Amino acid sequence: GAVVSQHPSWVICKSGTSVKIECRSLDFQATTMFWYRQFPKQSLMLMATSNEGSKATYEQGVEKDKFLINHASLTLSTLTVTSAHPEDSSFYICSATLTGATIAYNEQFFGPGTRLTVL
Amino acid sequence: AQSVTQLDSQVPVFEEAPVELRCNYSSSVSVYLFWYVQYPNQGLQLLLKYLSGSTLVKGINGFEAEFNKSQTSFHLRKPSVHISDTAEYFCAVSERTGGFKTIFGAGTRLFVKA
Repeated sequence: GAVVSQHPSWVICKSGTSVKIECRSLDFQATTMFWYRQFPKQSLMLMATSNEGSKATYEQGVEKDKFLINHASLTLSTLTVTSAHPEDSSFYICSATLTGATIAYNEQFFGPGTRLTVL
Repeated sequence: AQSVTQLDSQVPVFEEAPVELRCNYSSSVSVYLFWYVQYPNQGLQLLLKYLSGSTLVKGINGFEAEFNKSQTSFHLRKPSVHISDTAEYFCAVSERTGGFKTIFGAGTRLFVKA
């Protein structure tokens, strides 16, 4: 259980275009999803916290108009990279936490990641 | 604010040898502690977690970690590594006060040689 999927797994786009990445919790409901960015050989950098039905909370230094996050349902969050440029090329990973009163700790379940290459 | 320091960026080790990956954290409140493994071009997989109770935590794939509150450390160990353990390992900390926000260390690349 607790599987998180991402789509697409990789995408190549031209500079100036927008790209949408989907994050789905397949077998559980996730009130909260997180979006991370990972540069080669580096750690995960939290970009934003996405709560179902409300606006995402962005980390300092992350452009909210550049990285649009929508969390329309308990199983789906999307990240749209708008007007992508080569410096946006990265590995984007989402995670989700289980919803429920019985949850004693905040374990995150990670998606497999999406590699974005902007030409 | 919380932070995580992984003291070694790379750890080369021979197959069947023991290994320790070091992790220190700082936080003004109580925390949960995690170790994750990442294989190339994949997401993160939870190895083990410390929530409360026994300070020695056993995880998957033969890994274990010990929480040391006085030294604010959570080092990961395995008595005998395999080639398949070659991967990136991340230590992470999450405050108990809620919000579910998790901070990751920079990662340690474990390279197991034959």
